[in-house]
Amino acid sequence: QVQLVESGGGLVKPGGSLRLSCAASGFTFSDYYMTWIRQAPGKGLEWVSYISNSGINIYYADSVRGRFTISRDNARNSLDLQMNSLKAEDTAVYYCARDSHNFDYWGQGTLVTVSS
Amino acid sequence: QSVLTQPPSVSGASGQMVTISCTGSNSNIGAFYDVHWYQQLPGTAPKLLIYDNTNRASGVPDRFSGSKSGASASLAITGLQAEDEADYYCQSYDVSLSAVIFGGGTKLTVL
Repeated sequence: QVQLVESGGGLVKPGGSLRLSCAASGFTFSDYYMTWIRQAPGKGLEWVSYISNSGINIYYADSVRGRFTISRDNARNSLDLQMNSLKAEDTAVYYCARDSHNFDYWGQGTLVTVSS
Repeated sequence: QSVLTQPPSVSGASGQMVTISCTGSNSNIGAFYDVHWYQQLPGTAPKLLIYDNTNRASGVPDRFSGSKSGASASLAITGLQAEDEADYYCQSYDVSLSAVIFGGGTKLTVL
């Protein structure tokens, strides 16, 4: 069965960095685009970034462009999100999701808290 | 403020029907981009409910249905059950923003 497991969340100070990872299993990872979506506490869903199956095509939301970098390792079935220059407004649960033109599978999420 | 507009909350009695609207514009839903719906139960990750406007995801009861007309879409839930209490989100793509977009979410309360 399809499984997505995020890791790497935690507490970080404003201006700091954090790297999130998503381990995928149960499907041919290299066949699918992958996406990061976040949800601030008590708020709605916000798309963050997606990466094509080959890793060649990458897109970011305006709110994170220039600070976040998405990457993938198809050999390790792994998706990453490098987050730099973090701000308080980046505080959220970060989900990785399989992108089938819709988001058909989601991980359980990992909480990132940006606070001094 | 979300590009896709949903009512913040809806409610209905057990066994009744509710609809949740999702209103967009000519740069997203009205530009023929598909609408997808997600259900988020309390404390859990979102789950795909309806894809490509009208198709139920695997395992989703036929009490849930989606429709789309012009720049708007709707999710209908019939025969409301207590387990349907959740937040519901619509999602599409906006060509002007070159971005995936979500509605602000609708909290469903089953009375």
